[in-house]
Amino acid sequence: GQQLNQSPQSMFIQEGEDVSMNCTSSSIFNTWLWYKQDPGEGPVLLIALYKAGELTSNGRLTAQFGITRKDSFLNISASIPSDVGIYFCAGLPNAGNNRKLIWGLGTSLGVNP
Amino acid sequence: GAGVSQSPRYKVAKRGQDVALRCDPISGHVSLFWYQQALGQGPEFLTYFQNEAQLDKSGLPSDRFFAERPEGSVSTLKIQRTQQEDSAVYLCASSLVRTGNTGELFFGEGSRLTVL
Repeated sequence: GQQLNQSPQSMFIQEGEDVSMNCTSSSIFNTWLWYKQDPGEGPVLLIALYKAGELTSNGRLTAQFGITRKDSFLNISASIPSDVGIYFCAGLPNAGNNRKLIWGLGTSLGVNP
Repeated sequence: GAGVSQSPRYKVAKRGQDVALRCDPISGHVSLFWYQQALGQGPEFLTYFQNEAQLDKSGLPSDRFFAERPEGSVSTLKIQRTQQEDSAVYLCASSLVRTGNTGELFFGEGSRLTVL
């Protein structure tokens, strides 16, 4: 099925560093969301974005809905070991069935204490 | 508990067996979704319920897959005559939103199905 282009695929950083990941699509999306999934668990919603250009923060996390509506990024500042996990972007496309969340392949984040 | 509950957490089936996966959504949540997540992939939509009505089943990969939510709360995903390619984690999610879909979903821990 349709998937979003998410990068990087994986990254390994030192505790305290900032990290950025992004997601792009060839088509317009109405909603962008960022989820985190820990091993053996289901995804947990981090941030939801509903308007082009919107910049939203949740603690050390900041995400933006791209002005073209075809991309989004997630920044994590001052990383800590519990940030380890897989981060997924997901979106609701403008066209077609908007109940079907479209997902990226995930960014695997490792944090070295 | 207060979250979405799924059972069994792990299921090993021989090829050709039927399996049933259960989801208890958050109480009062109108919308219920089933997703399939293969190893190293993002979740892929299977089906959607609003209360007891199955409004979208376009993601079900074949007619071996069947889902129901007869009383608008607990849902069961049934897979008949399982095949090896059915091996995946099956995630259930619920949402309070009645109309449309904001994308804000609460997921269960998933049921990991392995077909030998």
